[in-house]
Amino acid sequence: DAGVIQSPRHEVTEMGQEVTLRCKPISGHDYLFWYRQTMMRGLELLIYFNNNVPIDDSGMPEDRFSAKMPNASFSTLKIQPSEPRDSAVYFCASSFSWDESLKLSYNEQFFGPGTRLTVL
Amino acid sequence: EDQVTQSPEALRLQEGESSSLNCSYTVSGLRGLFWYRQDPGKGPEFLFTLYSAGEEKEKERLKATLTKKESFLHITAPKPEDSATYLCAVQAGNDYKLSFGAGTTVTVRA
Repeated sequence: DAGVIQSPRHEVTEMGQEVTLRCKPISGHDYLFWYRQTMMRGLELLIYFNNNVPIDDSGMPEDRFSAKMPNASFSTLKIQPSEPRDSAVYFCASSFSWDESLKLSYNEQFFGPGTRLTVL
Repeated sequence: EDQVTQSPEALRLQEGESSSLNCSYTVSGLRGLFWYRQDPGKGPEFLFTLYSAGEEKEKERLKATLTKKESFLHITAPKPEDSATYLCAVQAGNDYKLSFGAGTTVTVRA
């Protein structure tokens, strides 16, 4: 498996523009997480989905941020309008909660390479 | 609210000089404690999951241990390739989200 795939890897935009970040989770994983990492705040959870349904979006900073998961293999995080304080590295992660055949629970999250967003 | 505190913030070691990183946590109903390694410009890479006090796990030069209040990541005879930021995270109750500490940046000099 290729692991979690994120695009673009780098994004530079101007304040006020719309930004869309994309994520393809590991095939078969039923949880998907969006994180943001900055020097000041470290790694913080924005939102997560289970079976394509948003479960907890309490980390989304404000209404300018929105996330969707239209199917099991794709998710987007959108910022509109973008502001300089949104500059950060955004990570997507996925996990597989339960293996029915092995009767095993897994909690480990596997991260993508991240998207470095710079808002000028 | 879950709290995770890592110490020290930075650690500079000579190759072969063993040391330990600390992760103290305050959670209600620990589901799991996770260690990740992060290299510059990359996403966190999963290392270990610990579920209960007394549990230990090892991988190459790394050994993670867990008590009821903290976890230690021991690095034995480190090599320069062990240089990275090590992140600790907790998962609590029935929640699948991770709460991360700020990390410890380890630099190993040859």
